[in-house]
Amino acid sequence: GENVEQHPSTLSVQEGDSAVIKCTYSDSASNYFPWYKQELGKRPQLIIDIRSNVGEKKDQRIAVTLNKTAKHFSLHITETQPEDSAVYFCAASLGTSYGKLTFGQGTILTVHP
Amino acid sequence: GAVVSQHPSWVICKSGTSVKIECRSLDFQATTMFWYRQFPKQSLMLMATSNEGSKATYEQGVEKDKFLINHASLTLSTLTVTSAHPEDSSFYICSAEPGQDVSNYGYTFGSGTRLTVV
Repeated sequence: GENVEQHPSTLSVQEGDSAVIKCTYSDSASNYFPWYKQELGKRPQLIIDIRSNVGEKKDQRIAVTLNKTAKHFSLHITETQPEDSAVYFCAASLGTSYGKLTFGQGTILTVHP
Repeated sequence: GAVVSQHPSWVICKSGTSVKIECRSLDFQATTMFWYRQFPKQSLMLMATSNEGSKATYEQGVEKDKFLINHASLTLSTLTVTSAHPEDSSFYICSAEPGQDVSNYGYTFGSGTRLTVV
C-alpha cells in the first residue's frame, strides 16, 4: 500500500519567515495530494490540494509543488503569522477514490511573534 | 457545499459498553464515507471505507467485529465501537465522498468524536 513520509516533525519560525514542509510517497499511481491544517482538538481542515496533472498550485500565502518523478510534494507558507501555528498533515490518495487518504506523520509548526 | 456533520462530539463510556458515532453528509449524497482514527499526537489512520448499501471495507489490522459500520442511506454512516476498552480511546473522524465531480469539494472531514473509555 501507499506510504507517506513527512518532514520535519517540528518546525519553528519567526513571524514573517517562510515555512516549508516536505512529503514523499511510495506509490507512483497516487494522483491526489491534499494538505490539512489541524488545530488542537479540532478536525483537519483542507488548506490546499494538488492533482498529479499539475506541478504547482498557489493560494495567497500558501503554495504546493509536486514532483511526480521524484514522488515528493511540498507545502510552502510565506509571510508566516502566529495564527499559522498548528499541526500540518500531507496526504496522498490514488485511483478514483480521492477520499481514501494515507496521511504523513504531521508537522508541528510554531510561528513566534 | 460538502458539509459533513458528526455526532456526538465527545463521549465517555464504561469499559465493555458500546458507543455509536454518526456521520452525516448535510448537503450532498455520499456514496462512500471513510472512518479514520487519530490517537493523541499521532496522524490519522484510515480504519474503513463505508459504502452505501454494501459491506464496509476494513483496513488491515482493524477488527470488523469490534468496529461495526453501517451505511444504510446516502447521507448517513454509523460507526459502533463494541465492547469498548480503554485502548479504544481516540479521536474518530469521518469524511464523505460526493458521488459527483469532486473538483468542487475539499473532502471535508466531520468534526470528530473524542471517545474516552473508562
